[in-house]
Amino acid sequence: GAGVSQSPRYKVAKRGQDVALRCDPISGHVSLFWYQQALGQGPEFLTYFQNEAQLDKSGLPSDRFFAERPEGSVSTLKIQRTQQEDSAVYLCASSPLTPSVSETQYFGPGTRLLVL
Amino acid sequence: DAKTTQPTSMDCAEGRAANLPCNHSTISGNEYVYWYRQIHSQGPQYIIHGLKNNETNEMASLIITEDRKSSTLILPHATLRDTAVYYCIVDRGSTLGRLYFGRGTQLTVWP
Repeated sequence: GAGVSQSPRYKVAKRGQDVALRCDPISGHVSLFWYQQALGQGPEFLTYFQNEAQLDKSGLPSDRFFAERPEGSVSTLKIQRTQQEDSAVYLCASSPLTPSVSETQYFGPGTRLLVL
Repeated sequence: DAKTTQPTSMDCAEGRAANLPCNHSTISGNEYVYWYRQIHSQGPQYIIHGLKNNETNEMASLIITEDRKSSTLILPHATLRDTAVYYCIVDRGSTLGRLYFGRGTQLTVWP
């Protein structure tokens, strides 16, 4: 079946520009996560949704980062006034149920953002 | 959550077993050991997880020492497609799913 998809796969933005990154989770998955992965590093947690509720946004690096999932399916990560340090791969993951030790997270291919 | 220590890189001949170590000396009794891997330009992929017993699935085996301070992921017959970064993660499942990946081990399988 279809996995997690993300769009665009690549995005080049000029410093100061706003960007929006989209995540389509696996159909029916309750949980949705966003991670940021800098070059040469492992993914770092940004935020978590359970259905449409954003239950944890403690990983968002600044108030320029905003995420939403209004209908409990597709999610958008928005970055306002992009800066060069925002350049990274943004990964989305979903899982079928609420988080537990047995729940696998299924990751999308990521969006590679380059801010010039 | 407990921290993990992994070698930066390893290599392995195709067809041989790849044994990837992970130290987690501060692991607590209710924390699980997870392994994910990330092939270049793809998102991470779940491999296996365990608490204290050894586990095996179609992808790999996980061996956890009796004191649970370390573990080894075993890919029994490595192929070129197993070249990836392998992440060992310790988690107690109560952090609303957020995973702490660290830097992982770059495994290179050579022909």
